[in-house]
Amino acid sequence: EVQLLESGGGLVQPGGSLRLSCAASGFTFINYAMTWVRQAPGKGPEWVSAVSGSGDATYYADSAKGRFTISRDNSKNALYLQMNGLRAEDTAVYYCAKESSNARTFDHWGPGTLVTVSS
Amino acid sequence: EIVLTQSPATLSVSPGERATLSCRASQSVSTNLGWYQQKPGQAPRLLIYGASTRATGIPARFSGSGSETEFTLTISSLQSEDFAVYYCQSYDNWPQPPMYTFGQGTRLEIK
Repeated sequence: EVQLLESGGGLVQPGGSLRLSCAASGFTFINYAMTWVRQAPGKGPEWVSAVSGSGDATYYADSAKGRFTISRDNSKNALYLQMNGLRAEDTAVYYCAKESSNARTFDHWGPGTLVTVSS
Repeated sequence: EIVLTQSPATLSVSPGERATLSCRASQSVSTNLGWYQQKPGQAPRLLIYGASTRATGIPARFSGSGSETEFTLTISSLQSEDFAVYYCQSYDNWPQPPMYTFGQGTRLEIK
């Protein structure tokens, strides 16, 4: 059974940093691209960043470019999101998700971790 | 940048009836479109990928259709557990790099 579990969320002041982690199990981690999707309170999901299975290729939404860094450790079946220069508009539940075999959708999601940016 | 517009924003339907949800893309996404169901306090759940293929474990009452810019999610006979928010999501890699876009959602409520 595929399982994803995020951690690392919390309250941070504007301009601060946070590192999110996602522990994966139940599938061959290196074979799949992984992604971070966030959802602000009362809003729809927003794709944030993706990384290829090998970790060589990374992609970012415009809202994350230059501030967020996605990475993975395939030896630990772990996905990360380093977030710097946080803003109030980054407040959201952050989900890690596994890309499906057709690499166009996300077939498994974690329960999410809440990031609140506020002074 | 692709924009996905879902309609209606809220749909009221009685249990046992059919529900039809729409998703329109601002430019062609071919069949690179998925549908998700989200219930309060839960992560989205993939229902449909490739515009019309049901994900693993999804009941046959869920069906997707469409291509290019017009897509539809149909729930043939609504069950109590189907009342939720539904999102469409597209994939585009032209021009590079890959981008994923979600619609704003349709809330399906009990009539």
